[in-house]
Amino acid sequence: AQSVTQLDSQVPVFEEAPVELRCNYSSSVSVYLFWYVQYPNQGLQLLLKYLSGSTLVKGINGFEAEFNKSQTSFHLRKPSVHISDTAEYFCAVSLNDMRFGAGTRLTVKP
Amino acid sequence: KAGVTQTPRYLIKTRGQQVTLSCSPISGHRSVSWYQQTPGQGLQFLFEYFSETQRNKGNFPGRFSGRQFSNSRSEMNVSTLELGDSALYLCASSLEQAAGADEQFFGPGTRLTVL
Repeated sequence: AQSVTQLDSQVPVFEEAPVELRCNYSSSVSVYLFWYVQYPNQGLQLLLKYLSGSTLVKGINGFEAEFNKSQTSFHLRKPSVHISDTAEYFCAVSLNDMRFGAGTRLTVKP
Repeated sequence: KAGVTQTPRYLIKTRGQQVTLSCSPISGHRSVSWYQQTPGQGLQFLFEYFSETQRNKGNFPGRFSGRQFSNSRSEMNVSTLELGDSALYLCASSLEQAAGADEQFFGPGTRLTVL
């Protein structure tokens, strides 16, 4: 069965600094990978997804992620964060069903 | 196009009661999934419905049930509520399936508090 591990439960950064949120997955077959964001008191919103093809995936709000098959990773990056990026971020792997990581709380400080 | 809507947004119940939550998917979406989100367990898959049939089920007790209507609207029911059922219940819809390449669109959730 597939599973996903988010390596950091909390990531504090200063505004305009770069950030990387780490995600490793486990699966014996090819899977689809997603990053979702959840703002307070809201549902999840898709940031980006990897289905196949180019390993660098660009998403909304300036986020991008790189699929690394050899390291079974799908880390999320943004070169310069804003206060409004403060939220919970979830990595997910999908095959027969969708499995979410535990989430990473990104806090952007002024 | 309207997003996924969930009603009610907030609910307070007492132990032993039952509750029904409602979800209206995006127009044209046929798959509806339910998730439970808690601080301790994170996001956990409850079940998925497609064309009025339960297609997939997570590891939850039988107190948790659901159904889907012909217009793809879905309800989930929790009977004999326990304190541990307090959570944010999220509904998500997708065109054809909750798994694979289809993107899921999430509603804002129903916050259930069991006293």
